[in-house]
Amino acid sequence: GQNIDQPTEMTATEGAIVQINCTYQTSGFNGLFWYQQHAGEAPTFLSYNVLDGLEEKGRFSSFLSRSKGYSYLLLKELQMKDSASYLCAVLFSGTYKYIFGTGTRLKVLA
Amino acid sequence: GAVVSQHPSWVICKSGTSVKIECRSLDFQATTMFWYRQFPKQSLMLMATSNEGSKATYEQGVEKDKFLINHASLTLSTLTVTSAHPEDSSFYICSARDVNRYNEQFFGPGTRLTVL
Repeated sequence: GQNIDQPTEMTATEGAIVQINCTYQTSGFNGLFWYQQHAGEAPTFLSYNVLDGLEEKGRFSSFLSRSKGYSYLLLKELQMKDSASYLCAVLFSGTYKYIFGTGTRLKVLA
Repeated sequence: GAVVSQHPSWVICKSGTSVKIECRSLDFQATTMFWYRQFPKQSLMLMATSNEGSKATYEQGVEKDKFLINHASLTLSTLTVTSAHPEDSSFYICSARDVNRYNEQFFGPGTRLTVL
């Protein structure tokens, strides 16, 4: 089976740091993506991890542990515009299809 | 680069009619495209994988006769919702895989379907 879980909602304050977790149980793993999605819009790419470790890109970082089936997205210096849904997606080898996690709605408060 | 368009961006139709949604890769060739649906406050659910020149592969629980997919060229895939009913109302999003850009998928802007 394919279970990809994320917390449903999170709230944080402007300027703070927030970590959004993603745990997965899948077979044929070939990488994990993080996307940001504002309501009514398409997802936009944030990061891609295929090897264990931390990938940093500006205010956003993503971490992967393949042995633990675990990833997180770290958002620093939160801004109001970061209020959105954050989706992790596991890429399956052989088919190139993504299976999306349950998604996390992040609300940034002033 | 790597732009994907969808048309229409929104559509309202009567119950029982069919609706066609187009997904185009504008500046790259996409041998594989994917169709997702998304209900309010939920994540994206993969419906099917569309391969150029061959039959689509549907995910478990998705009716292939209900959701017809055609991928006739390297830049165009279409999804037809046949005999639409109110429960088919959803946000439909396509994505395209650029074979020259690793494993990343590029998403279209989505189509909001409302069935009355």
